[in-house]
Amino acid sequence: DAGVTQSPTHLIKTRGQQVTLRCSPKSGHDTVSWYQQALGQGPQFIFQYYEEEERQRGNFPDRFSGHQFPNYSSELNVNALLLGDSALYLCASSFLAGGGTDTQYFGPGTRLTVL
Amino acid sequence: GQQLNQSPQSMFIQEGEDVSMNCTSSSIFNTWLWYKQDPGEGPVLLIALYKAGELTSNGRLTAQFGITRKDSFLNISASIPSDVGIYFCAGRSGGGYQKVTFGTGTKLQVIP
Repeated sequence: DAGVTQSPTHLIKTRGQQVTLRCSPKSGHDTVSWYQQALGQGPQFIFQYYEEEERQRGNFPDRFSGHQFPNYSSELNVNALLLGDSALYLCASSFLAGGGTDTQYFGPGTRLTVL
Repeated sequence: GQQLNQSPQSMFIQEGEDVSMNCTSSSIFNTWLWYKQDPGEGPVLLIALYKAGELTSNGRLTAQFGITRKDSFLNISASIPSDVGIYFCAGRSGGGYQKVTFGTGTKLQVIP
């Protein structure tokens, strides 16, 4: 049973560029949440996708956008990258439909470095 | 963004000792979660608490959901070297659609 997978593992971009990060949820899960974890801090909630729609959003600018596909996988897009966007980006999946447990399982993350 | 306050920020303990860490919030939560994160990996869920006053164990780990719903603590008994890592508390105010707010983390070092 595959867990949550994320790609790429590491990424280096320059200021102003755009980046797309990808996430495949754990088998049987239908919901994907994205988090940003700066060095030495706890994860910060970016947004959550369920049934291909953004359901909840944290305090992040519109430069951060996402998408969920029919197979439940998800992408996180960040436009006009800033140095402060350098962080570990974590994807977490859970199962919400039918009142299932909403325990989140995290992937290993994508380390984004903006130069 | 908002983060929950965890204490202590870091701790060094001898193998075999018990460990206690806590988490406080200015907001009420309906769910408290405790995670452990190892270097280069995502957080792994240790314990989930859904009811005020609830006390739940997972092996050597015990966590409690505070009566005020604004705090939680995690105890680790008889620590071992593999307990090393960063422990995060997290709270959620609603159901599965609601965002999860994480704490600032407690870094645990175990001296063999």
